[in-house]
Amino acid sequence: DAGVTQSPTHLIKTRGQQVTLRCSPKSGHDTVSWYQQALGQGPQFIFQYYEEEERQRGNFPDRFSGHQFPNYSSELNVNALLLGDSALYLCASSLGRTGYNEQFFGPGTRLTVL
Amino acid sequence: QQPVQSPQAVILREGEDAVINCSSSKALYSVHWYRQKHGEAPVFLMILLKGGEQKGHDKISASFNEKKQQSSLYLTASQLSYSGTYFCGTGGLDNYGQNFVFGPGTRLSVLP
Repeated sequence: DAGVTQSPTHLIKTRGQQVTLRCSPKSGHDTVSWYQQALGQGPQFIFQYYEEEERQRGNFPDRFSGHQFPNYSSELNVNALLLGDSALYLCASSLGRTGYNEQFFGPGTRLTVL
Repeated sequence: QQPVQSPQAVILREGEDAVINCSSSKALYSVHWYRQKHGEAPVFLMILLKGGEQKGHDKISASFNEKKQQSSLYLTASQLSYSGTYFCGTGGLDNYGQNFVFGPGTRLSVLP
């Protein structure tokens, strides 16, 4: 049983560029959440997708957008990259509501913005 | 609003006990605990829900004081493998876990 997978593992971009990160949830899970984790800090909630809709959103600008596909996989898009967007981006999946259920995290995508 | 965790860091010897605390200024419907080792993804430890339900690993013990909006994670007879950063996450104001927020983390080091 495959766990949560993310791609790519590492990514280097320059300011102003756009990036797309991908996530496949654990088998049987229907909810995907995305987090940004800066070095030495806790994961910051970006948004959650359920039934192909964004259900909840953290305090992130509209430059951060996402999508969930019918097979529950998800993408995170970040436009007009800033140096401050450099971080580890974690995807987590759960069966049902994020706030009430165990989340399984993927290994993350390390984004570096130069 | 981000929950507050204490202590920020703790160093133990193998076999010693530790308590990590998490508190919020907002009403809590659920508290989650995760452990993250350096360079790895967070791993689920426990969920405590309003009303008393708990889901988690048998070897992990935690409490949830709904009135005080506080939770504590109890680590007993610590092992070297317990080392890592412990995060509490709070959430659950609506059906989709609104306002789910992780705390800043507590760094635990267990020495031989």
